[in-house]
Amino acid sequence: QVHLVQSGTEVKKPGASVKVSCKASGYSFPSYGFNWVRQAPGQGLEWMGRFSAYNGHTNYAQNFQDRVTMTTDTSTSTAYMELRSLRSDDTAVYYCARESNGGIDFDFWGRGTLVTVSS
Amino acid sequence: QPVVTQEPSLTVSPGGTVTLTCGSSTGAVTSAHYPYWFQQKPGQAPRTLIFDTNNKLSWTPARFSGSLLGGKAALTLSGAQPEDEAEYYCLVSYGDARVFGGGTKLTVL
Repeated sequence: QVHLVQSGTEVKKPGASVKVSCKASGYSFPSYGFNWVRQAPGQGLEWMGRFSAYNGHTNYAQNFQDRVTMTTDTSTSTAYMELRSLRSDDTAVYYCARESNGGIDFDFWGRGTLVTVSS
Repeated sequence: QPVVTQEPSLTVSPGGTVTLTCGSSTGAVTSAHYPYWFQQKPGQAPRTLIFDTNNKLSWTPARFSGSLLGGKAALTLSGAQPEDEAEYYCLVSYGDARVFGGGTKLTVL
């Protein structure tokens, strides 16, 4: 069965970077891309961007264009989301969600990674 | 960036029917926006219920259905159960970009 296991809680200072991982199992990793979504405390979901398995391209939301990088490592079946120049309002739970090629963009979700940004 | 709007909150009686809607600031939501619906309970990750307007995943209860209604995407719950109390989010695609609605808090009471 499909599992997406995300890395553990992070505490960062303003201005730092964080790299969240999402290790996949139970399916053919190269055939699927990933979406990344975040949720600030008590707030709604916010789409950050996606990595397409179809062409290896990324699409980032305007709000994160200059600060985020999404990658995958097929040797370890792991997707990564790096967010730079962290601010206090980046404090949120970050989720990965699997995206199929031409199929379902969000089927399986990771359990989320809490990132706290505080001085 | 487009804004996707949902009812902030709705209440349904157990066994009743309720429709949640999802509108777009750019105009009518159509099948070309590939609308999605997600359910999220407190402390849990979201769970995808509906993709591409009206397609269900294997775990989607039969009482949930998706459609287009009056220029919006819609999620209808027929025969509400206590376990359906949750936050529901829609997502609309604008080319390569995706935008979530603000969410609807559904109370079953």
